[in-house]
Amino acid sequence: DVKVTQSSRYLVKRTGEKVFLECVQDMDHENMFWYRQDPGLGLRLIYFSYDVKMKEKGDIPEGYSVSREKKERFSLILESASTNQTSMYLCASSSDRGHSGNTIYFGEGSWLTVV
Amino acid sequence: KNEVEQSPQNLTAQEGEFITINCSYSVGISALHWLQQHPGGGIVSLFMLSSGKKKHGRLIATINIQEKHSSLHITASHPRDSAVYICAVDSSGGSNYKLTFGKGTLLTVNP
Repeated sequence: DVKVTQSSRYLVKRTGEKVFLECVQDMDHENMFWYRQDPGLGLRLIYFSYDVKMKEKGDIPEGYSVSREKKERFSLILESASTNQTSMYLCASSSDRGHSGNTIYFGEGSWLTVV
Repeated sequence: KNEVEQSPQNLTAQEGEFITINCSYSVGISALHWLQQHPGGGIVSLFMLSSGKKKHGRLIATINIQEKHSSLHITASHPRDSAVYICAVDSSGGSNYKLTFGKGTLLTVNP
């Protein structure tokens, strides 16, 4: 069974803390994504990666960075957490081999509250 | 940028009813995804399609590329189908680099 695993389901952090959200996939996928989901705004792409050590900004990269040192692992980093980063964060992965589209697989989500 | 519109925003049905959720988009795409999100967060991919029709159990998804429109149908709906259904379109040649998501349709199926 294919799996995208997010390390933390619920986190509470203080303003200014450095926060790491980890994501691991077991499908040998090339592409990995970090989204945040907020009521009324839907899913928005923060960063994505198409290969090890490669990363591209999404629609809302400000305040975030990412790391992909191994193909199966994609980390989202909040260098200095702020209250407006309170949200649900979703990791996803997909292959890059289908020319007419590739199924995308999501993790269970990480609920982050910054106080 | 692709605009994705879903309708309806909210839908309440009685168990056993046939349900249709619609998705329209503004720009040509490589593929369209139908996703399901239950309370608590996790998102599951139901279908990925680039043409025609797909069926899985009681769920059917269709897409009309010329009309830039897709529908998700649920036959014989059940309370466990209650969830948010999200349409997403891929304008990046199948790589999912540029998915545009609809705002979702909240479906409630009453017993």
